[in-house]
Amino acid sequence: AQKITQTQPGMFVQEKEAVTLDCTYDTSDQSYGLFWYKQPSSGEMIFLIYQGSYDEQNATEGRYSLNFQKARKSANLVISASQLGDSAMYFCAMREGLFLYGGSQGNLIFGKGTKLSVKP
Amino acid sequence: EAQVTQNPRYLITVTGKKLTVTCSQNMNHEYMSWYRQDPGLGLRQIYYSMNVEVTDKGDVPEGYKVSRKEKRNFPLILESPSPNQTSLYFCASSLGPGSGELFFGEGSRLTVL
Repeated sequence: AQKITQTQPGMFVQEKEAVTLDCTYDTSDQSYGLFWYKQPSSGEMIFLIYQGSYDEQNATEGRYSLNFQKARKSANLVISASQLGDSAMYFCAMREGLFLYGGSQGNLIFGKGTKLSVKP
Repeated sequence: EAQVTQNPRYLITVTGKKLTVTCSQNMNHEYMSWYRQDPGLGLRQIYYSMNVEVTDKGDVPEGYKVSRKEKRNFPLILESPSPNQTSLYFCASSLGPGSGELFFGEGSRLTVL
């Protein structure tokens, strides 16, 4: 079974509108972290936002917010006021065994990604 | 500036010609890891290192070697590259395996003919 599922291979959004990118995860660990990365066409992986499993409040970083619903095991990324420069691939990822030194191989498990295109 | 630096960024080589992709971080991180990214397969971990002289296999280690003689460096070695190792490679580091954000290098695009 996939540990990270991103069901939207591609999405379009109008400039200045908000968009939600879906991510569901599967883990039996109690301590884990959820991440979103942006990969523009140039190829680098850009960290956007992080949510720890014990964090009670949803993470926010500027125009990015993470809608964390632990019971549903979802960690959707919300981008407000989309800009043309937001066009990229977006990856949801999970790291299990957080805060447990030696308790995991530290692997960041990635979803297949969502390609976001922002229309002018 | 905190960063993970990979070299080369782009490389075209031929089957069987040994090559090394270097990775260096300046954040005093204990944990370092290599990933490869392939279309439709996402990012997969090749090898990781918990600290100096401590390395272990990830999910797709075949055809690769690594070493961790110094804390800041974690080179990826392809002893005899084959065309199926054509990929985009990322080095990444973090304070520890369970410490949150993984910092990525800019990626190395490797083509094996």
